[in-house]
Amino acid sequence: QVQLQESGPGLVKPSQTLSLTCTVSGASISSGDYTCTWIRQHPGNGLEWIGYISYRGSAYYNPSLGSRVAMSVDTSKNQFSLKLSSVTAADTAVYYCARRLAMSYDHWGQGTLVTVSS
Amino acid sequence: QSALTQPASVSGSPGQSITISCAGTSSDIGGYDFVSWYQQHPGKAPRLMISDVSNRPSGVSNRFSASKSGNTASLTISGLQAEDEADYYCSSYTSTNTWVFGGGTKLTVL
Repeated sequence: QVQLQESGPGLVKPSQTLSLTCTVSGASISSGDYTCTWIRQHPGNGLEWIGYISYRGSAYYNPSLGSRVAMSVDTSKNQFSLKLSSVTAADTAVYYCARRLAMSYDHWGQGTLVTVSS
Repeated sequence: QSALTQPASVSGSPGQSITISCAGTSSDIGGYDFVSWYQQHPGKAPRLMISDVSNRPSGVSNRFSASKSGNTASLTISGLQAEDEADYYCSSYTSTNTWVFGGGTKLTVL
């Protein structure tokens, strides 16, 4: 079965770049129309869509995050990555990667908490 | 893109039915049949319960049903059970090629 697992530093200093990786197991991301989406959840709050990237490398980001966000894919490692630059305390959240199947998200990682603090 | 509007909380007794609404605009819910619903227990990742307005993925109880009318979507849970107590989020595809979520609804089973 498909499983997703986020990994990366749990603590990032203000103004630095947040970097996370999503490793997919149970399926090859290059075997089909695979799209990975990043979603975050601020403590005690709702979900915020960050953006998506396909296994071919086509990406689309939430305009509210401007040019701070960038995603990439490494098919050889079956991984997707997220980078968010110039972070502030407002970027403290649980970050999820999720597989998009058609127009909904059917598989999610367990999430990883990233705290922005000096 | 503004978040979809959901009630902050709903409650019901075991065996009863409840409905959670999700209000959007013609640029999201009203414009596309791409509304989905997610269940989230504390400390857990969201779980897909409904896709494409009213489709139940394999493994989701048929006590969960959903629909859409105009710019508003609804999720109904019938025969409430203690295990249904969780947060529920709606989501919709939008005209700007993004997705938007609702603020979430906390369901309490009394």
